[in-house]
Formats: sequence, structure tokens, C-alpha cells
Amino acid sequence: DTGVSQDPRHKITKRGQNVTFRCDPISEHNRLYWYRQTLGQGPEFLTYFQNEAQLEKSRLLSDRFSAERPKGSFSTLEIQRTEQGDSAMYLCASSLRVHEQYFGPGTRLTVT
Amino acid sequence: AQTVTQSQPEMSVQEAETVTLSCTYDTSESDYYLFWYKQPPSRQMILVIRQEAYKQQNATENRFSVNFQKAAKSFSLKISDSQLGDAAMYFCAYRFNSGNTPLVFGKGTRLSVIA
Repeated sequence: DTGVSQDPRHKITKRGQNVTFRCDPISEHNRLYWYRQTLGQGPEFLTYFQNEAQLEKSRLLSDRFSAERPKGSFSTLEIQRTEQGDSAMYLCASSLRVHEQYFGPGTRLTVT
Repeated sequence: AQTVTQSQPEMSVQEAETVTLSCTYDTSESDYYLFWYKQPPSRQMILVIRQEAYKQQNATENRFSVNFQKAAKSFSLKISDSQLGDAAMYFCAYRFNSGNTPLVFGKGTRLSVIA
């Protein structure tokens, strides 16, 4: 499968714990996006990378969130000191052209 | 700020019939793109169709077509000859055509297809 992959697919954690998600974009896609999707809502933009540079960050991305894309390949999204409000689906998308974003299956986070 | 509104939380259609999903958006920009994405249950989101705002002709992709009314800021999706595999959440999305601006999504419409 050469699509966008995300790991893990599901994560259950206790409030206050740290979690890290990984996204592997489609090979040679230089753009990578993270979105968050809560129940009953459409995806909301979190952050954007072009190659290894993080160029955009939403105000939704609090200080507890950090994202990296070392060497412009895979990306990680870390949430520190998780809160129940962080429970959501975290989607990754990649693209070569700005108007064609390919989404991964998402990581569903449940904070208990 | 740009917003996208989908006023139909749920829709249903009989197999082989036609259904139209509504979307309106708010923007002061003139150069932008509009999209419809499909998110099947427990599967990843895929792009269904894309419309460039400067093109007057409505986009079509096989059984999927749009009715783009720029002045009214309306962007509806028509699905013809509905199939069971069309059952999914459908999201309307907007992107301002400048730099690396992200997609702005509506809340989605859940489409059920009745056999």
C-alpha cells in the first residue's frame, strides 16, 4: 500500500500521560498536514510542514502539542499531559500539489 | 474567517436514485477552491470532486457533479445512480488559493443508501 499510513490506529491513555503519533506520507510528497476531528465535526487544521519546515500552526495547537518532521519524511505529533478534551481522531494528510491532499486512516485517541 | 456550512446532518437515498448534498461557505476572497470529500465508516477520507472558483463550468466526476453558484456562495454535490458504496460522511471543504492555507471543512453530512 503506497498511501498515507498512521500509527497507531487507536490509542487509549490516561489523563496526564504523554502520547505520540506517527504519520508516514506518500513517498515524495513534500507537504504534510495534521488535522483533528472530534465527534460530529469536520477535520480542523492543526499544523503544516513543507519538507522538514513547520510553516503553519493553528491556535488549536496548544503548548502541550508538538509536531516534527525530521528529514522531511515521516512526521510525529506528540501531546503532553493529555486531557479528556484531547480525545479525537488525529488525521494526517500529504500532498505534492496544494490542491490534492491525501488523507491517512487516522489515529483515534481516547483519554480516560 | 472563512466558514463552511453543511445544513443537512443526515440524508438518505434509495439505491439508483439521485441525491443532492448542500454546502454554503463564507469568504471575501475571489480565488479559492472547493472540495467534496467522502469518509466511509472506519476508512480514510478521499477526495470526490474539486471546483476552482474561477471556472464557471461545474465539475463532474462520473456519477458525481457539483452545482457551483459563486454569487450565492453555494456548492452542492449531486450523486446520480446512488450505490450502496456511496454511504459515508461527506464533507464540503474550502481552500483560499494563496500560499499554504489549509482546508476548512464543514461539519459533514451522513449519507445512507437504502437498498
